[in-house]
Parts: sequence; C-alpha cells; structure tokens
Amino acid sequence: SQTIHQWPATLVQPVGSPLSLECTVEGTSNPNLYWYRQAAGRGLQLLFYSVGIGQISSEVPQNLSASRPQDRQFILSSKKLLLSDSGFYLCAWSREGNQPQHFGDGTRLSIL
Amino acid sequence: SQKIEQNSEALNIQEGKTATLTCNYTNYSPAYLQWYRQDPGRGPVFLLLIRENEKEKRKERLKVTFDTTLKQSLFHITASQPADSATYLCALGGSGGSYIPTFGRGTSLIVHP
Repeated sequence: SQTIHQWPATLVQPVGSPLSLECTVEGTSNPNLYWYRQAAGRGLQLLFYSVGIGQISSEVPQNLSASRPQDRQFILSSKKLLLSDSGFYLCAWSREGNQPQHFGDGTRLSIL
Repeated sequence: SQKIEQNSEALNIQEGKTATLTCNYTNYSPAYLQWYRQDPGRGPVFLLLIRENEKEKRKERLKVTFDTTLKQSLFHITASQPADSATYLCALGGSGGSYIPTFGRGTSLIVHP
C-alpha cells in the first residue's frame, strides 16, 4: 500500500531563517506531488505541484520554492521566512491530476 | 471569478440523524467533485469522488449528489455518530483545463451523543 511521510510535524522558526520541509511517498511510482498551505479557518491553498522529477509548477508567487530531486521526494524551501509564512503545510500525492489526493499529516509552522 | 462555497457555520446534529452538507460553486464547470474529511491537526482524507455525468454516489453510510444545473453537491452521512465529527471539504476539478482540484474552506460537523 502507499504511504506518505511528512516531517517535521511542528516547527518554530525565527523571521529571516531558512526553511526545508520534506515529503516522501512510498509504494507508488511517478506520482503527482503537491504542496498546500492551510491558514486557520481558510481553505487549502495550492503552492506547488509536480508531475515528474525536476518539474515544478508554482501557483502563487511568494518567497517559497519547491524541488523534486527524486521521483517520490518533494521539498519545500525558503531562504528567508516571513511572518506571513506561518501556517499548516500539507504535502499530497495522486496518481493523476484528476484522481483523489492523499495527504500527509502536515507541518505546523510558526514564525516568531 | 471562480468560487466554492461551503457553510462556514458548524452543523450540529444529534447522533443517529442524517447530516447533510452543501457545496455550491459559481463560474465553474467541473468535470468532477471530491469530498474529504479533515480532523484537527491532520491532513484531509479522501472520501468520495463523483464525476459530472454521475448524479449520485454511495459508500457505506455516505452519499454524494452532484447537480450541475444547480451547481451544487450535497454530502449526506446517514445514522451519524460522534466519530463522524470533523471538517468536511469539497474540491472541484477539471474546469478550464485545470485537472488539479480547488478546495472549499470546509464545514465543521459536530455530532452530539
């Protein structure tokens, strides 16, 4: 069966510090991968998605970036965090774009 | 602009009753609609997918309807239980050439024993 791992579960970072969140998927190959942010009481905002290694599409301009160095690894990064980057970050995978998405348990990011 | 509306107020019902959640949309022509369940501090979990040519889909105590004329989907949980308490998200996809779903903000369901 397929599983998705996302870490860390909780992260507290100072403003201006770098960020690296990692997500890995097991049990499937060539998945579509997604990064979302969910602010309190808000919907899921799609940040990045990838249909293959090295292929990244950005949905929202911001100081975040994403990379897919391996087929089942998706990384969300920032060189300098802003207060507005606080939120709940979720990684997800799907077989195709129109197929159900399967989410990790998220990272709660707090910027101080 | 495209809009997905789910009731922002929590739905409170008694155990054993049927819960009905609504997802309305405007300026969309979705090819499919999905429903997810999200518990506090967890990622959403996929429940059901219904395509534009389907009127109704069932899975155990869950039923989803999709009315493309009314631009609305209804999500029903029959014989609700306190364990069904969660936030339920609808997601629409396949509109305007984009196959990636867009999520609504979700509705909180609270089932009282």
